[in-house]
Amino acid sequence: GDSVTQMEGPVTLSEEAFLTINCTYTATGYPSLFWYVQYPGEGLQLLLKATKADDKGSNKGFEATYRKETTSFHLEKGSVQVSDSAVYFCALTLDGGSQGNLIFGKGTKLSVKP
Amino acid sequence: DTEVTQTPKHLVMGMTNKKSLKCEQHMGHRAMYWYKQKAKKPPELMFVYSYEKLSINESVPSRFSPECPNSSLLNLHLHALQPEDSALYLCASSQGGGSNQPQHFGDGTRLSIL
Repeated sequence: GDSVTQMEGPVTLSEEAFLTINCTYTATGYPSLFWYVQYPGEGLQLLLKATKADDKGSNKGFEATYRKETTSFHLEKGSVQVSDSAVYFCALTLDGGSQGNLIFGKGTKLSVKP
Repeated sequence: DTEVTQTPKHLVMGMTNKKSLKCEQHMGHRAMYWYKQKAKKPPELMFVYSYEKLSINESVPSRFSPECPNSSLLNLHLHALQPEDSALYLCASSQGGGSNQPQHFGDGTRLSIL
């Protein structure tokens, strides 16, 4: 079935380090891909999205490129800050899927130390 | 600040109580969602309303009863809940229709069942 696989966490980095969180997907159709971030005690916030192959989503220094050939949507940031500490969820919706039903990965917890 | 507002932020109730969770959005979105999120897990879809009609019920027990009074409001009525129903309940909305429309989440109601 359709699914999203994220790298296991937690990920612990020092401030200004480079971040990569791997995300791969399995989908029967042509998915749209999303990264959501959840800060402690809050709901999910849309971080970025890409709706077709080779699209690059970007926001707040984060980037992810929709790679159809490798079915991946890895999240990257060149220099993380303490304020980036949160749980990051990769997710997809399927073209023609019911009302854009989100399929989530399990989430990756990021901790950034000063 | 989130554009999807959920009340209350916290709720403690006994197993015999009846309570309601409320969600409001003023973005003109036509699809609204309820999710349940347990600790360290991704959100799980419960219900989807599209154009004020219930379109998806993910086999949720009848002790959870959704209601969509109008296009801006979504309620979740709770009755005779069990301790395992303790979780963060998230509301989301999207423009509806296409799968490439991202969902916007509220900050959730943290529910504890005694």
